[in-house]
Amino acid sequence: TQLLEQSPQFLSIQEGENLTVYCNSSSVFSSLQWYRQEPGEGPVLLVTVVTGGEVKKLKRLTFQFGDARKDSSLHITAAQPGDTGLYLCAARNTGGFKTIFGAGTRLFVKA
Amino acid sequence: DAMVIQNPRYQVTQFGKPVTLSCSQTLNHNVMYWYQQKSSQAPKLLFHYYDKDFNNEADTPDNFQSRRPNTSFCFLDIRSPGLGDAAMYLCATSSHRGTVYNEQFFGPGTRLTVL
Repeated sequence: TQLLEQSPQFLSIQEGENLTVYCNSSSVFSSLQWYRQEPGEGPVLLVTVVTGGEVKKLKRLTFQFGDARKDSSLHITAAQPGDTGLYLCAARNTGGFKTIFGAGTRLFVKA
Repeated sequence: DAMVIQNPRYQVTQFGKPVTLSCSQTLNHNVMYWYQQKSSQAPKLLFHYYDKDFNNEADTPDNFQSRRPNTSFCFLDIRSPGLGDAAMYLCATSSHRGTVYNEQFFGPGTRLTVL
């Protein structure tokens, strides 16, 4: 069974702090997505990474795909209250149809 | 703007009373998915349509059914809702052509309450 393990499960920080959340697996994936979900809303796609070692930046968010395409990280610089939400990683293996979701990291940024 | 739309956003039903949730998309994606998400959990795939082909997950209860009358619309029918079916229901779409599998885009969800 393929699993995506996210850590930490919950993170509460002050505005302005930096943080990193992780998404790990023992399986190799052809692509990996990061979503942010706010309470009462659907997940919103932030980024897709497909190449081992790839780094993508989205304003204060930096996403990295592991060299072996088994893991990924999301780093947020100078977190803001608007970053509060549930961060989900999702992945699909080569030739696979089904997307696997991690359990999510719930981030709370205090003003 | 191209998007995934879900109606209603909030649905209240009574125990055992059938309910239908709707999803429409303007992305012209050929694959549509229904997920169930309970509090503080990851979305759980119920089933998906690849074009007109219906694909049910092995652990999806028979109580849940789906219809896709055309490319743009997909419905989730819950025949006899139980208290345990109260959850957020998410519709998602993606495009697949040959070996190219693209990421999923989600609607805002319908929160179902069962009284």
